[in-house]
Order: sequence, then C-alpha cells, then structure tokens
Amino acid sequence: GAVVSQHPSRVICKSGTSVKIECRSLDFQATTMFWYRQFPKKSLMLMATSNEGSKATYEQGVEKDKFLINHASLTLSTLTVTSAHPEDSSFYICSAVGAGTADAYEQYFGPGTRLTVT
Amino acid sequence: GQNIDQPTEMTATEGAIVQINCTYQTSGFNGLFWYQQHAGEAPTFLSYNVLDGLEEKGRFSSFLSRSKGYSYLLLKELQMKDSASYLCAVMDSNYQLIWGAGTKLIIKP
Repeated sequence: GAVVSQHPSRVICKSGTSVKIECRSLDFQATTMFWYRQFPKKSLMLMATSNEGSKATYEQGVEKDKFLINHASLTLSTLTVTSAHPEDSSFYICSAVGAGTADAYEQYFGPGTRLTVT
Repeated sequence: GQNIDQPTEMTATEGAIVQINCTYQTSGFNGLFWYQQHAGEAPTFLSYNVLDGLEEKGRFSSFLSRSKGYSYLLLKELQMKDSASYLCAVMDSNYQLIWGAGTKLIIKP
C-alpha cells in the first residue's frame, strides 16, 4: 500500500514553455503533499507544501508565480513550471502524507520527474 | 538555525557492517527518518525513530538518542545493491522534514 505515482517520469521542453507534473496517491487519500526538487548530488529541497483545497505554502526563495501548485483533490496535486528556463532543469519529486497510511507522519515519495529545459 | 549533519561519503566492503551517523539541531522534534536513494531515483523509506533506542528491521537497524541529538543507521551483511545515498531527515515542530545532505555509501567487493 501507500503508492504515489508521478507523471511524466521524464520531460524535455523548450525554454519559455510551461510543463505540468502530476502527483497521485493511488491507494490512500493524501491530506498533504510536498513538492521537492533535487540537484545532482544534493539533498532534497522542499519547494512547497500543499493541503487539499487550500493554497500551497511556499518555502522562502521559491517563486509561487513560477511554480504553480494545485491540490484539487485528496489524490492529486500538480506542479506547473511556467515559462521554464534551463536553470529549472532538475529532478522534481512529490511526496504524500495522509490517513490510511501505516504511519500518519511518514511521507511516501513518487518516483520523480526529470525535467530538462533546452 | 536547523541543521542536519552526516558524512558525505563512506566506503565499505561487501559482507561487512557499516554505521552511518547523523547529528541534528532542529526546532522541535517529531521523529527521525532514514531514507535510501539510488542515483536517479526517489528516496525510499527505511526507518522511523521517535523514542530513544534501537529499531531493528532485517539487515538494517536505526538508533536514536534524543538527548544527544544523534542517530545512526547500521547496515549489516552489506550487499552491492546497498550502494546508494542514505538520507537522514528530522521532523520538526511544524511536522516538516529537515533533510541532511545524504551519505553516499560505496560498497567494494
């Protein structure tokens, strides 16, 4: 149980375009979802925390107008990278916490999305 | 500020035992997690400690001392597939995870 999926797993886009990444909890309801980005050989950097039905809470230094997060249901959150630039190229990972999981505080991670902006 | 420290890299031999240490200073404490991350993949959960002591799970064990702000992950009977980064993360008073930079473990035959 407690499976989180992400789509797409890899995406290449041109500079200036927007990319949407989906994060789904497959067998539980995610009251909270987290979005991270990870640069090569670096630890995870929390970008934002989203709770179903409310606005996301962004970490300091993360542009909310550039990284749009929507958590419209208890099983789906989306991250849209708007007007992407090469410096946005990274590994984006979502995680979810919710009722019905073995430990209510444990974060279950999606497999990640590799974004490359050319 | 909040800080998680763990060694950058460790090397061990197949079949041996290795201990990866983690020290932390955080605003509150609601548990400590260890995750394994292979290159290019998302982290996978290994263990969760919220009380002092040792938690054993197969070849992996995790220890916590809250008074010392210290934890370690112990890996026994090392296998080549254990080559990965091991991330220590502490849940603070706001129930957010504070991540360490990870320890890259290299297993040699």
